[in-house]
Amino acid sequence: DSGVTQTPKHLITATGQRVTLRCSPRSGDLSVYWYQQSLDQGLQFLIHYYNGEERAKGNILERFSAQQFPDLHSELNLSSLELGDSALYFCASSNDKGGPDTQYFGPGTRLTVL
Amino acid sequence: AQSVTQLGSHVSVSEGALVLLRCNYSSSVPPYLFWYVQYPNQGLQLLLKYTSAATLVKGINGFEAEFKKSETSFHLTKPSAHMSDAAEYFCAVNSGGYQKVTFGTGTKLQVIP
Repeated sequence: DSGVTQTPKHLITATGQRVTLRCSPRSGDLSVYWYQQSLDQGLQFLIHYYNGEERAKGNILERFSAQQFPDLHSELNLSSLELGDSALYFCASSNDKGGPDTQYFGPGTRLTVL
Repeated sequence: AQSVTQLGSHVSVSEGALVLLRCNYSSSVPPYLFWYVQYPNQGLQLLLKYTSAATLVKGINGFEAEFKKSETSFHLTKPSAHMSDAAEYFCAVNSGGYQKVTFGTGTKLQVIP
């Protein structure tokens, strides 16, 4: 158990819909990272938040957005969903106070878009 | 810019044989390097990391990796494979600062009884 929690574990929805994925980091970690993992694209970095502020963006679509709240949990919002958005979405947390640190991954949310 | 290349998307070894998973990196500054393992339907778990201390890094489950600057490599090894080692392994690089970690494309390890 990494200490990172993600909800829900599974999500099935239809094209055009909007979903929200939630992540709670390990106690004391200030950074949250979001990743998308699919068979054809592999593990893709989406976005990084540190203590409520966006720090880095990766291959995140404009239909996707994220935020980190004052209690440090984070949400990833996916809208206008397409079939190709079906994937595993992971969040990871790390301390990063003294620089980049080990990322601890949650169990993931499996999104299926029908 | 930073990148990481994992040679071999699939590797098969016999139980008890040496495991060698290859990783080469590119970084303009001394990097932090990581190996993660992912078991089916689970998140990634850290195996070991290199942060510019000892070049030979020991991790969990009997794995180790050696940082070779001259070869820009960080290969993962284990002397004797167990069936439980069957999983996907990811090498990752971070060149410092609050930058994203770049993951390799992963290597699926199959252990044959």
